[in-house]
Amino acid sequence: GNSVTQMEGPVTLSEEAFLTINCTYTATGYPSLFWYVQYPGEGLQLLLKATKADDKGSNKGFEATYRKETTSFHLEKGSVQVSDSAVYFCALSDQGGGFKTIFGAGTRLFVKA
Amino acid sequence: DVKVTQSSRYLVKRTGEKVFLECVQDMDHENMFWYRQDPGLGLRLIYFSYDVKMKEKGDIPEGYSVSREKKERFSLILESASTNQTSMYLCASRRVVGLSSYNSPLHFGNGTRLTVT
Repeated sequence: GNSVTQMEGPVTLSEEAFLTINCTYTATGYPSLFWYVQYPGEGLQLLLKATKADDKGSNKGFEATYRKETTSFHLEKGSVQVSDSAVYFCALSDQGGGFKTIFGAGTRLFVKA
Repeated sequence: DVKVTQSSRYLVKRTGEKVFLECVQDMDHENMFWYRQDPGLGLRLIYFSYDVKMKEKGDIPEGYSVSREKKERFSLILESASTNQTSMYLCASRRVVGLSSYNSPLHFGNGTRLTVT
């Protein structure tokens, strides 16, 4: 069945550092891939998405490229801010999975000033 | 902006009680979902609904049921609450666009933190 694996946290960075959060997936079909972010006390919100191979999703300085050959969708940001401190979830959804969205375990990011 | 509203932010119930968690969305979305979120486990799907009066079991439906009598409202019911159902519950909705609803993102409420004692 479909699954998503993302790097364990927490990840602690200083402000302006480079961020990478790794995400790999297993899917039977051609999934759409998503990154969601959860700020303290809130629900998840969409950060970015990509719907086909080699697509790059981007938003708020974050980027992720859909790599079919490595089944990966790593999240990157060139210069993190304290306000980026949150939990990040990688997710996938496809027709083969019955239209369900499957989430990774989440990676908590702490950014220090 | 889509708004998904969960009726309670915090709820404390006793073992054996019947518990209702309510979720309302205001954007006429067809699909609605209930997840539970536990540390280290991410989000796990309990039930989902393609449309009004339709429901499908997710990955962990045991001990739960759902109701979707109106398009905007999706209720999660714990028939007899147990301590292992202490968790954060998240409701989400999604628009269907043609045949490719799986490309559409989920819109989440802020969650209900349920404690069963």
